[in-house]
Amino acid sequence: DQQVKQNSPSLSVQEGRISILNCDYTNSMFDYFLWYKKYPAEGPTFLISISSIKDKNEDGRFTVFLNKSAKHLSLHIVPSQPGDSAVYFCAASPMNDGGSQGNLIFGKGTKLSVKP
Amino acid sequence: DTAVSQTPKYLVTQMGNDKSIKCEQNLGHDTMYWYKQDSKKFLKIMFSYNNKELIINETVPNRFSPKSPDKAHLNLHINSLELGDSAVYFCASSQGRGAWDTQYFGPGTRLTVL
Repeated sequence: DQQVKQNSPSLSVQEGRISILNCDYTNSMFDYFLWYKKYPAEGPTFLISISSIKDKNEDGRFTVFLNKSAKHLSLHIVPSQPGDSAVYFCAASPMNDGGSQGNLIFGKGTKLSVKP
Repeated sequence: DTAVSQTPKYLVTQMGNDKSIKCEQNLGHDTMYWYKQDSKKFLKIMFSYNNKELIINETVPNRFSPKSPDKAHLNLHINSLELGDSAVYFCASSQGRGAWDTQYFGPGTRLTVL
C-alpha cells in the first residue's frame, strides 16, 4: 500500500528550463514533507522540506509547493542544470501521538535527466 | 572526514549465513536509522535509535537485530539470510528524532544473497 506516490519514474528536461517533479500522498495524517536527491552509488541527500501549515517553501532554485486538499506536492527546479540530474525522492512524515517522528515514508523516486 | 560511513560497501553471501553491516557517524548526532531499498526501489525505514535506545521498529523479521554500542554507531546484524534480503541498506543519522531533523545518509551497502 503506497502512501507516497511518484507516478513518473523519469523526466527529461532541457538545461535552463523548469523541472517539475510531482508527488501524491494518501495519508491525511502526514504533516511534514521532504525532498531528497540521490546520485548513483551515493546515499540520498536532503534538498528541501515543507510543513503542512505552509503551501510553499523556496530555497534558491528549488521550490516546493504543497496542496493539502489535493494531497499533492511538487518540486520546481528553475533553471535546471545538468548537475541536477539525479533521482528525486519525495518523503512524508506522519504526526504520531508523540509528535512527528523521523519515520519517513518515501516514494519510489523520479529520475531527472537535464540535457545540455 | 565522511559524515556517515558504512562498511562494507558490497556484501555477497550465501543463503543461511549470518552477516553484519557497520555504520558510524561523526556528526555528533543523537539519532541513527537503518533503511532498506528493495528491488522495486522503495526506501523503507527499518529501525531508529535515539541515544542508544530503540524508538522505531517497523515490521522487520527478528532475524534483523540492530546494535548500538554507542551514539556514533548503529550496526545491523542479519541472521539466516534469505534471498529476499537482497537489497541496498542505508544508514542515516540526525541530530534529533523529529521529522524536521535532517537525516544524513551513508553511501549504502549492497547486499546480495545467493
